[in-house]
Amino acid sequence: DVKVTQSSRYLVKRTGEKVFLECVQDMDHENMFWYRQDPGLGLRLIYFSYDVKMKEKGDIPEGYSVSREKKERFSLILESASTNQTSMYLCASSTTRDRGTYEQYFGPGTRLTVT
Amino acid sequence: AQSVTQLGSHVSVSEGALVLLRCNYSSSVPPYLFWYVQYPNQGLQLLLKYTSAATLVKGINGFEAEFKKSETSFHLTKPSAHMRDAAEYFCAVTNNNAGNMLTFGGGTRLMVKP
Repeated sequence: DVKVTQSSRYLVKRTGEKVFLECVQDMDHENMFWYRQDPGLGLRLIYFSYDVKMKEKGDIPEGYSVSREKKERFSLILESASTNQTSMYLCASSTTRDRGTYEQYFGPGTRLTVT
Repeated sequence: AQSVTQLGSHVSVSEGALVLLRCNYSSSVPPYLFWYVQYPNQGLQLLLKYTSAATLVKGINGFEAEFKKSETSFHLTKPSAHMRDAAEYFCAVTNNNAGNMLTFGGGTRLMVKP
């Protein structure tokens, strides 16, 4: 089974703190994604990466950055956390090797509260 | 650009009743379509997917969905709801040429009454 893990299930941080959210997948997937989920807004893509050291902005990248130094790990960084970044953060991975699937596998999520 | 519309942010059914969750999409190329389920405080789990093979797709937990190109729809159904089906459901579409990116609908919260 594909396993996507996230470093924390719940996190509470103060305004202005630098926050790191870590995601690790164990299936050698080349694509990794960070989403943000808010009530009534569904899932919104923050950043994605299709290879080591490669990153692309999604729909809402402002206030976030990412790092992918190793294929299995994709980090989301909040340089200076703000209260409007309180949300559920979901990491996902996928591969193009299995032609015709394109499904994404999700981690359990990190619920971040910024006070 | 592709988009997904899920009609009804909340759907309530009685236990044993038919479940119907609606999804309409737009896509400039033949789409791949997905339904995901999210239980409280968990990540998303794949229920089923359409990848241009059979138009009627069967998934886990007794769910199925039918791809109707003429209606640009991919509605999710289950003949008989269980209490454990209470969750949020997301429809998603991908474009083969877009690097595996998924566009998600806004989600439908399914409530099951005893």
